[in-house]
Amino acid sequence: NAGVTQTPKFQVLKTGQSMTLQCAQDMNHEYMSWYRQDPGMGLRLIHYSVGAGITDQGEVPNGYNVSRSTTEDFPLRLLSAAPSQTSVYFCASSPGRTSTDTQYFGPGTRLTVL
Amino acid sequence: RKEVEQDPGPFNVPEGATVAFNCTYSNSASQSFFWYRQDCRKEPKLLMSVYSSGNEDGRFTAQLNRASQYISLLIRDSKLSDSATYLCVGYTGTASKLTFGTGTRLQVTL
Repeated sequence: NAGVTQTPKFQVLKTGQSMTLQCAQDMNHEYMSWYRQDPGMGLRLIHYSVGAGITDQGEVPNGYNVSRSTTEDFPLRLLSAAPSQTSVYFCASSPGRTSTDTQYFGPGTRLTVL
Repeated sequence: RKEVEQDPGPFNVPEGATVAFNCTYSNSASQSFFWYRQDCRKEPKLLMSVYSSGNEDGRFTAQLNRASQYISLLIRDSKLSDSATYLCVGYTGTASKLTFGTGTRLQVTL
């Protein structure tokens, strides 16, 4: 199993550009989520999904969209990138429908918005 | 006030030492707690869950004190490979969310 994979590993955007961060898992996990990690802030939840076709907002959803058309994939879209979205983005999945199960994180995407 | 607070460190300890980290939480509704380990520029990985009765996994012991609202992690006989950032995480069922602390950095030296 590859586990949780994320692409790209690094990305530089200009303000106003849009892009999609890809996340896929091959463990048949129901629960998937996106976090951003900033210095001194800890990981913060952006969006999450408890199963295909179901998504919900986390703590910091503004400026991001998600969809969950399949169990495996959970892409994160930046609609119009801003410098405040410079961060490290982690996708995570877990076997159950709650976040008490072990979270398996992808390797992260390091995004810089100029 | 942050929901989960940790001393950022760094804690610099010699190999073989015992080191302890504490983490405090403000939301008394938090039900479950975890310690995750994060190596530099890598993803977090679950180290252990934390139970009220305390739990041990090899050289690692985790404790939860609900009365004082803190979680602890004790590492005995530190190894160079223990150098990492340790994240304290709380789960609140009513909000269905995990709250991560900012992490405590440990550096084990020869």
